[in-house]
Amino acid sequence: LAKTTQPISMDSYEGQEVNITCSHNNIATNDYITWYQQFPSQGPRFIIQGYKTKVTNEVASLFIPADRKSSTLSLPRVSLSDTAVYYCLVGLYNFNKFYFGSGTKLNVKP
Amino acid sequence: EAGVTQFPSHSVIEKGQTVTLRCDPISGHDNLYWYRRVMGKEIKFLLHFVKESKQDESGMPNNRFLAERTGGTYSTLKVQPAELEDSGVYFCASSQGQLLSYEQYFGPGTRLTVT
Repeated sequence: LAKTTQPISMDSYEGQEVNITCSHNNIATNDYITWYQQFPSQGPRFIIQGYKTKVTNEVASLFIPADRKSSTLSLPRVSLSDTAVYYCLVGLYNFNKFYFGSGTKLNVKP
Repeated sequence: EAGVTQFPSHSVIEKGQTVTLRCDPISGHDNLYWYRRVMGKEIKFLLHFVKESKQDESGMPNNRFLAERTGGTYSTLKVQPAELEDSGVYFCASSQGQLLSYEQYFGPGTRLTVT
């Protein structure tokens, strides 16, 4: 399983764009990158998933450079309710045993 | 649509006792997973069911843990006898398919405290 490295914590203010970068130097050819969000006292919740280039959905964008050794989760115009822990996960397309690292604790301030 | 539910939400037991955690996956999800986070450490995979069969139980810590999924619906995770280091939050997740592209939906977790 490819391990990931993320910042332990980040601070932001309401209305700002937040970019959280994850390093995964040992990512394999068939690995996908998935991001989950976790609020206190809740289970993780899927945000977005991608393999290369850029993926966008209604809540976030995921940027993956050509070498795929890192990825960036972009949250547009965060609000206080986006305060949570964000996990970057790397896994084989047919291998869904997730490895959760320590995650990034995002604190959004008013 | 109801999400993944877990029962109880919190359990406090003494060392040496037995505890059974229950997970009800989303209806129609054949794949069910158990994870746990112990004492501030990372969330770690325990095992994966496909219907009633154990697909992967490589993350089960030892033989004090027994997971079952009779009938391929809900699942139970029994800890017997419980030890202090078993304290933590146990998460259950379910998905429609096995491929990574199938989103895993997590339950709220069961917080287990062993005293």
